[in-house]
Amino acid sequence: DVVMTQSPLSLPVTLGQPASISCRSSQSLVHSDGNTYLTWFHQRPGQSPRRLIYRVSKRDSGVPDRFSGSGSGADFTLKISRVEAEDVGVYYCMQGTHWPPYTFGQGTKLEIK
Amino acid sequence: EVQLVESGGGFVQPGGSLRLSCTVSGITFSAYEFNWVRQAPGKGLEWISYISSSDSTIYYADSVKGRFTISRDNAKNSLYLQMNSLRVEDTAVYYCARTMWSYYGMDVWGQGTTVTVSS
Repeated sequence: DVVMTQSPLSLPVTLGQPASISCRSSQSLVHSDGNTYLTWFHQRPGQSPRRLIYRVSKRDSGVPDRFSGSGSGADFTLKISRVEAEDVGVYYCMQGTHWPPYTFGQGTKLEIK
Repeated sequence: EVQLVESGGGFVQPGGSLRLSCTVSGITFSAYEFNWVRQAPGKGLEWISYISSSDSTIYYADSVKGRFTISRDNAKNSLYLQMNSLRVEDTAVYYCARTMWSYYGMDVWGQGTTVTVSS
């Protein structure tokens, strides 16, 4: 199975400042169809996960444009240009290229300093 | 608005069984694929099972294979997870989640139902 590794696991950020989360996979996530299936989720405290980004960089409907995804191969990044209070919670990356199984990163907990 | 509502969680002793349900509204249920994903207390997300729209394709994580069974009833707009031979390590919040295109993962999630396995 593909192992997803996120860093950092804890991310204190000042409101209005940028934030960046790294996600690395144990093998390339480039599918034989040429696409890369890397997804990001956000889980607020006490809530269900919400998908933010799929296929590395495509934002889901309603996701603010301060969120952006990038990367290729086995190295990916989620960036928040200016952190707002509602952005607290845990962020997970997940690979779909080599499913089943879907595999998630350990999660990165973003908190406000 | 798409809604997924899980039910059936509870407290069960090791070796026992539970059946989770997920009732879906706001979409044509039969057109979509679904998954069960769980989250142990204070831990991350773990995918456990997938079912295609026509239930012709089913997958399980190794951790639950042979013990859990996913199914669906398109006439009732419902997804199920039959959990047998439960273990303490199965304690978790169980989410049902829709998939529109399998490689993209889960785009809509329910609120979850809690399963506690303990003696």
